[in-house]
Amino acid sequence: DAGVIQSPRHEVTEMGQEVTLRCKLISGHNSLFWYRQTMMRGLELLIYFNNNVPIDDSGMPEDRFSAKMPNASFSTLKIQPSEPRDSAVYFCASSSNIWGNTEAFFGQGTRLTVV
Amino acid sequence: AQTVTQSQPEMSVQEAETVTLSCTYDTSENNYYLFWYKQPPSRQMILVIRQEAYKQQNATENRFSVNFQKAAKSFSLKISDSQLGDTAMYFCALSRNSGNTPLVFGKGTRLSVIA
Repeated sequence: DAGVIQSPRHEVTEMGQEVTLRCKLISGHNSLFWYRQTMMRGLELLIYFNNNVPIDDSGMPEDRFSAKMPNASFSTLKIQPSEPRDSAVYFCASSSNIWGNTEAFFGQGTRLTVV
Repeated sequence: AQTVTQSQPEMSVQEAETVTLSCTYDTSENNYYLFWYKQPPSRQMILVIRQEAYKQQNATENRFSVNFQKAAKSFSLKISDSQLGDTAMYFCALSRNSGNTPLVFGKGTRLSVIA
């Protein structure tokens, strides 16, 4: 398996534009996590899904942020409209629900710059 | 609420020496897992080592070992025979008792290995 795949790796966009980040889970994994990394706040959870169902979205900063899992292996994180303070590295991670398997595998992240 | 605290923003060590990174945490859960992740400049999040809270024996992975003090809620990482490739950010993290719950991260320690 190629691991968790995120696209794009880098995104530069203008304030007010819509941004969509994409994540492909590892085959067979059924938990999906979106994290955001900034210098000020470190790594923080935005939202996570189990079996395609959103479990906790309390970390989503505003209504401008939305996340979906249209199928079991794919997720998107959308920001509309984007603002300069959204600039960060966004990671997705996936894991399995099998008891005892506690490792989350991370994608390489998307560095988002909003100018 | 779960919290993770890393009190050392930066550390340095001479090549081949030993270094210990500190981490304390707080949780009301009885069962939980603790992790150390490494983030090199490539920004990939790499699992270094993990510890199940119900296990008294400290986890070891080659040159990496932990000192898990459950009563003190302390989870330090020891790197022996430090190598230049160990230069990275190191994050301590905590999750509840299964693979389908999210990680709570500390703010990280930037480790520099000096030749």
